[in-house]
Parts: sequence; structure tokens; C-alpha cells
Amino acid sequence: ETGVTQTPRHLVMGMTNKKSLKCEQHLGHNAMYWYKQSAKKPLELMFVYSLEERVENNSVPSRFSPECPNSSHLFLHLHTLQPEDSALYLCASSQPLLASGRMYTDTQYFGPGTRLTVL
Amino acid sequence: ELKVEQNPLFLSMQEGKNYTIYCNYSTTSDRLYWYRQDPGKSLESLFVLLSNGAVKQEGRLMASLDTKARLSTLHITAAVHDLSATYFCAVALNTDKLIFGTGTRLQVFP
Repeated sequence: ETGVTQTPRHLVMGMTNKKSLKCEQHLGHNAMYWYKQSAKKPLELMFVYSLEERVENNSVPSRFSPECPNSSHLFLHLHTLQPEDSALYLCASSQPLLASGRMYTDTQYFGPGTRLTVL
Repeated sequence: ELKVEQNPLFLSMQEGKNYTIYCNYSTTSDRLYWYRQDPGKSLESLFVLLSNGAVKQEGRLMASLDTKARLSTLHITAAVHDLSATYFCAVALNTDKLIFGTGTRLQVFP
């Protein structure tokens, strides 16, 4: 496998279910991201992990719980979701860069996404 | 709060024509990215623009960055059907974050 992979590609779940999304990157990057893409909305950043530490939690409801056991793997645990959580969930990875005394993200490489439908 | 706005949101253009997509952002940044997304697919990196005046070209697409005006453009030359997709710009903050624009959906017809 190369690049960024995500499983499953499609997921249908009820509001009382618990499921997990998995992301794996094979690029040797040290930062990983979860994004939510809904129809007619900009891409929304949900979580950022850099060197396996969560550095961003963008006011995401607690029914979404990320986990980053190592720099290559990222999970998004889902429980008691709402229909409005139906969206495409994208994982990305990048290599953080230090430039001019600041930390930046380099180009982010995206996985194919998981299309989630909550009934 | 950083805002990134693209216009137009939707663009329908004839093959062979030229057009420009604009990306405006509201705070200082000197790193900007352009991505392409085909329907039902993920995002693919097109360009990275790293400084004021940067210009990158790949095939029929050319991107530029004016950090003083906080503006990036993606120019399409002699459009072909294969360019039909949604194009996103994304601005880097001085953190691990990218803030994405609203996207421009491009349709090229014969």
C-alpha cells in the first residue's frame, strides 16, 4: 500500500451504533488530520495529531473520539451520532516543517475518504 | 479567525476558453496550496506557493500568489473536459493547520 489509506470506504450506521474509522499513512509523515466534508460546506478540520500528540480539537462534539497510537495510524471512534453527521470523512498526513522559527504543515496528502451515512 | 473565500463557487466554461479562479484570505500567510477533487474522490495536491510573487505552472493550470493583496489565482488556459473538478485553495497558518476555501466547481463542456 502506498500513500494514505482509509477503511471502510462506506459506512452506514444507526444513531445508537459504535463504529470506528481507520486511517493509515505510508509516507513517513509525523502529522495526521481528520477532516469532515459536507455538501455545500468548506472542508472542516476536526483533529490534528503531531508526533502522536493531539494539537488541535476544533470544537468537535464528544461523540467523535480520535486516537493516534503511532505516527502511521489514526482512528476516529464514533458513537451515538446524529443524522447531520453524515458526510465524507477525510484523513490526511503531512510532514511538519520548521521555517523562520515557525512550525508549518507541508503539503497534506489525503486518503480516499469514508462516506458515512447516519440513519 | 482566518477566512478563505473563493470565487466563483461554480464555473461552467466551454472547451478552449480561458478563465481565472480567485482565492482571497483574511490574514497574513505566505504559504498557499491548491488542490483538486474529482467527484466522489479525495483531494489531490496541485501546487504549493511559498512566497510573494510565486508562480507555478502545470499543463493548462497556472497558480500565483500575492501575499500583500492576500490573493491567489488559478488560471485555466484553453480548458479541456478533463479539467472538470472542484478546486480548493488552502492557506497555511503558522501552526499545523490548513484552512480551506469553499471550493470552485468547474465544469468544462464541448
